[in-house]
Amino acid sequence: DIQMTQSPSPLSASVGDRVTITCRASQSIYRYLNWYQQKPGKAPKLLIYATSSLQSGVPSRFSGSASGTDFTLTISSLQPEDFATYFCQQSYSTPWTFGQGTKVEVK
Amino acid sequence: QVQLQESGPGLVKPSQTLSLTCTVSGGSISSGNYYWSWIRQPAAKGLEWIGRIYTDGSTNYNPSLKSRVTISIDTSKRQFSLKLTSVTAADTAMYYCASEDRYCNATHCFVSWGEGTLVTVSS
Repeated sequence: DIQMTQSPSPLSASVGDRVTITCRASQSIYRYLNWYQQKPGKAPKLLIYATSSLQSGVPSRFSGSASGTDFTLTISSLQPEDFATYFCQQSYSTPWTFGQGTKVEVK
Repeated sequence: QVQLQESGPGLVKPSQTLSLTCTVSGGSISSGNYYWSWIRQPAAKGLEWIGRIYTDGSTNYNPSLKSRVTISIDTSKRQFSLKLTSVTAADTAMYYCASEDRYCNATHCFVSWGEGTLVTVSS
């Protein structure tokens, strides 16, 4: 199985901050990486697919990028509704696997 | 986007079989654009993909659960189902059904999710 490791966890930030979450794959997954946001008591929500493609309806302050096996989710200016847990997921080979999650909390 | 809704018992005894159903609305379960997946999440933990089924009935399972899992589909009822046998406390989790879009810019992604159903394994 491909292991996905996220950092940091948790992440403390303030409204307006630029936030960066990293996800590292245990092997090459090319650009097959998705990001999800989960709020307490809710199902995950797709934010970004294929490393950098923004899902319809997701604000443009969210973006994704990659360098080798390291993937990054960036929130350019953190908004109050962005305090949540973020998961990465590799879609290169089954079994699909997720990172352990990064909780973005109030600083 | 399709809507999904899980249903099934919230309490299962150890060694018994966990059975859940997901009902699909707002789109066709027979669409070739989707796989239909089950994902679980123990409390305050991460997400684990359990497996998926395609409209033709073909399945893929997580090897960690493969010996205990069966996913089936009933297109006439717009439903797909999960059975997990010989459950233990370690199977206590929120269980989600999700649609796996085959065309997320040349990859797959979980576009729509049910709201989840909590299953507790306890005597």
